[in-house]
Amino acid sequence: ETGVTQSPTHLIKTRGQQVTLRCSSQSGHNTVSWYQQALGQGPQFIFQYYREEENGRGNFPPRFSGLQFPNYSSELNVNALELDDSALYLCASSPGADEQYFGPGTRLTVT
Amino acid sequence: SQQGEEDPQALSIQEGENATMNCSYKTSINNLQWYRQNSGRGLVHLILIRSNEREKHSGRLRVTLDTSKKSSSLLITASRAADTASYFCATDDNNNDMRFGAGTRLTVKP
Repeated sequence: ETGVTQSPTHLIKTRGQQVTLRCSSQSGHNTVSWYQQALGQGPQFIFQYYREEENGRGNFPPRFSGLQFPNYSSELNVNALELDDSALYLCASSPGADEQYFGPGTRLTVT
Repeated sequence: SQQGEEDPQALSIQEGENATMNCSYKTSINNLQWYRQNSGRGLVHLILIRSNEREKHSGRLRVTLDTSKKSSSLLITASRAADTASYFCATDDNNNDMRFGAGTRLTVKP
């Protein structure tokens, strides 16, 4: 148990729809990162938030956006869903620069 | 884009044997971390090695880092069936992102 939770566990959406995924970090962890993991691949960095500000972004289009809240929760929003967005979405929190604590992930299926 | 490449992609061994996985990366790094993932669940941090370290141990795990060759290895000694999982290396280059490889799928047969 890492103390990081994500909701929902599974989600099915239709192409073109919008989705919001949620993450609750460990108390005191000011940094949260989001990753997309396609089947059989390693996680790919989407973006990172530090104290409610975006602090780094990977190679993902603007339709992937996020928010971080003062209560250590965060959201990943994806607009105009595409079939290739089907993946496991992972959030990870950390108190500083090094070790990250991952949540169990949300499995998103886009049909 | 992914930074590290694990080798082999898949490894199958008998319980009690040692398992060695390798990771290569492309750019300069601050540290390299190894993670474990069971069946598409969240990742669990195993060990972190900094760029100025060459070897690190944690229980049955031994990690080496060769920055001149931009490579790292993870050794699991006396493997158990419960070690069956995917193992990923991840590099931190101080750009506020962590780059993962595609992973090694380890199967330990009882």
